[in-house]
Amino acid sequence: AQSVTQLDSHVSVSEGTPVLLRCNYSSSYSPSLFWYVQHPNKGLQLLLKYTSAATLVKGINGFEAEFKKSETSFHLTKPSAHMSDAAEYFCVVSDRFGGYNKLIFGAGTRLAVHP
Amino acid sequence: DAGVTQSPTHLIKTRGQQVTLRCSPKSGHDTVSWYQQALGQGPQFIFQYYEEEERQRGNFPDRFSGHQFPNYSSELNVNALLLGDSALYLCASQQGSSYNEQFFGPGTRLTVL
Repeated sequence: AQSVTQLDSHVSVSEGTPVLLRCNYSSSYSPSLFWYVQHPNKGLQLLLKYTSAATLVKGINGFEAEFKKSETSFHLTKPSAHMSDAAEYFCVVSDRFGGYNKLIFGAGTRLAVHP
Repeated sequence: DAGVTQSPTHLIKTRGQQVTLRCSPKSGHDTVSWYQQALGQGPQFIFQYYEEEERQRGNFPDRFSGHQFPNYSSELNVNALLLGDSALYLCASQQGSSYNEQFFGPGTRLTVL
C-alpha cells in the first residue's frame, strides 16, 4: 500500500531564511509524488511533481524537491522564505489502480513565516 | 478557462438530513474525484468517476454516493448526516490516465449541527 508521512506538523521560519518540509513515502512500485499547497480558504494548488524523470524537481514559486529512493524521502525546500509562503503543505503519493489513480495525502505541515 | 468549480461554498445541515454537493470539472477533463478533508487533516479519497461510473471507492460508508453526468460534472450525496461528516469536501478533475495531474476546486464547507 502507498503512504506518505510528513515528519513535522508545524514549521516556523523567518522571512528570507531557507525552508525545509520533510516527507517520507512508502510504495511498492516506483512512485509518483507531489507537493500541494493550501492557503486559507483556497483550494489545493500543485507545487511540483515527480514521475520518475529527474530526481531534482523544480516547482512554482521557487520551491523544489529531491526524490531520494535510498532514503524513501521527498523533502520540499526553498532557499528563501517569503511571507506569502505561509500556508499548509501536503506531501502526496499517487496510488494507481488499473489505468486510474487516487491521491493519498500526508497529514500536512503548517508553515509559518515571521518577519 | 474556468478551473474546477464547486457549489455551494458553504452549507449547514442538521443530523439525519441529506446533502448534495456539485462539481464542474476543468474544461477538457473527463475524470472527477471527491475527497473529504476534516479539520486539521489531509484530504481522504472518497471515490472517482469516469464515463459515468464509479471506478474506485475509498473507505467510506454507503451513505456516501455519487453520480457523474454526460457533461462530466458530478454530484456527491451524503445521507443520514452525522456530526463527523462536518468537513471540507474537495472535488478534483483530470484528463484520462493515471499519470495526469489532478486539479482541485475550492471545496464546499459542510457543517453538521
